[in-house]
Amino acid sequence: AQKVTQAQTEISVVEKEDVTLDCVYETRDTTYYLFWYKQPPSGELVFLIRRNSFDEQNEISGRYSWNFQKSTSSFNFTITASQVVDSAVYFCALSGRNQGGKLIFGQGTELSVKP
Amino acid sequence: EPEVTQTPSHQVTQMGQEVILRCVPISNHLYFYWYRQILGQKVEFLVSFYNNEISEKSEIFDDQFSVERPDGSNFTLKIRSTKLEDSAMYFCASRGAGGPQETQYFGPGTRLLVL
Repeated sequence: AQKVTQAQTEISVVEKEDVTLDCVYETRDTTYYLFWYKQPPSGELVFLIRRNSFDEQNEISGRYSWNFQKSTSSFNFTITASQVVDSAVYFCALSGRNQGGKLIFGQGTELSVKP
Repeated sequence: EPEVTQTPSHQVTQMGQEVILRCVPISNHLYFYWYRQILGQKVEFLVSFYNNEISEKSEIFDDQFSVERPDGSNFTLKIRSTKLEDSAMYFCASRGAGGPQETQYFGPGTRLLVL
């Protein structure tokens, strides 16, 4: 069975602090795909990044970076110099090689960035 | 930029009533999904749809639920006889035909409240 665990339910930081959101996954598939989505207070789900299981290269996009480690089944997300606008719920999700491609979401981490 | 749209944004209904939630996926996408998110909880997969038929459904998607693509643009979710526990945010998503690695893009959601 596939499973995504985001152990941090809530994180609160002060603006300009760095913060890392943890994501651990379980799957028997050898090919799988990992995603991060942001859900701001307005409620929509905004795609942030996708990672294929065969590509362990870390990625940086502005203040956002992702660390994918197959050895520990983790796909962690770091925000550098956090801003108030980063306040949202962040979801990690997993899709297996099944062509249907359903997403299995973690419980989400609510990030609160205070001024 | 193309986006997934959903109507209505909010729906209030009485228990036992039928509701139809509507989605317009991104025009060249071929895979369509419905997910739901009970308030404060994670996003859960309901059903995936491809080539005019259901490709996968979850345990939540029982006989009370149905999906349809009535024309070339709309994708609908019908709940035949709503229950209190159907109250949730319902998200539609779509992706291209490239495989499960393709990103799913989500609509803004329909918040359903069953009284």
